[in-house]
Amino acid sequence: NAGVTQTPKFQVLKTGQSMTLQCAQDMNHEYMSWYRQDPGMGLRLIHYSVGAGITDQGEVPNGYNVSRSTTEDFPLRLLSAAPSQTSVYFCASSPLSEGSYEQYFGPGTRLTVT
Amino acid sequence: DAKTTQPTSMDCAEGRAANLPCNHSTISGNEYVYWYRQIHSQGPQYIIHGLKNNETNEMASLIITEDRKSSTLILPHATLRDTAVYYCIVGYITGNQFYFGTGTSLTVIP
Repeated sequence: NAGVTQTPKFQVLKTGQSMTLQCAQDMNHEYMSWYRQDPGMGLRLIHYSVGAGITDQGEVPNGYNVSRSTTEDFPLRLLSAAPSQTSVYFCASSPLSEGSYEQYFGPGTRLTVT
Repeated sequence: DAKTTQPTSMDCAEGRAANLPCNHSTISGNEYVYWYRQIHSQGPQYIIHGLKNNETNEMASLIITEDRKSSTLILPHATLRDTAVYYCIVGYITGNQFYFGTGTSLTVIP
């Protein structure tokens, strides 16, 4: 199993550009989520999904869109990038079955908006 | 919306036990305590979780007070590779109740 994969690893955008951060998992996990981590800070939840076709907002959803058309993929779209979105983005997945509590994180995407 | 309070940083001598405290005085009856760690800039890694009983696995032990308002993560024999930021999280694994906070930066000293 590759686990949780994220692409790209690094990205530089200009203000106003849009892009999609990719996240995929091969563990058949129902739950997937996106976090952002600003320098010296903890992770903050952006959006999450409990299954294909179901998404919901987390703590900091503004400026981001998500969709979940398959169990495996959970892309994060930046609609119009702003310097305040400069951050490291982590995707995570976990099963929803009873007794399964561990979230698996990807390696992160480091995004700079100039 | 801070649900946990942790010291900002701690040091521990290599080979000694590292005891990382966490206060979670507003925890509700069916919320769990989770511990994750983040080494350098990698994605966080799950360590352990518990509801009200003490728990132990191959990585660490988790001691939860009887009133569940605080807990302690114990790394029994800290190594240099345990240098990381440790996050104490209270809540459910799903939904928007999973707040990481700023964690405790643990430095293991040779």
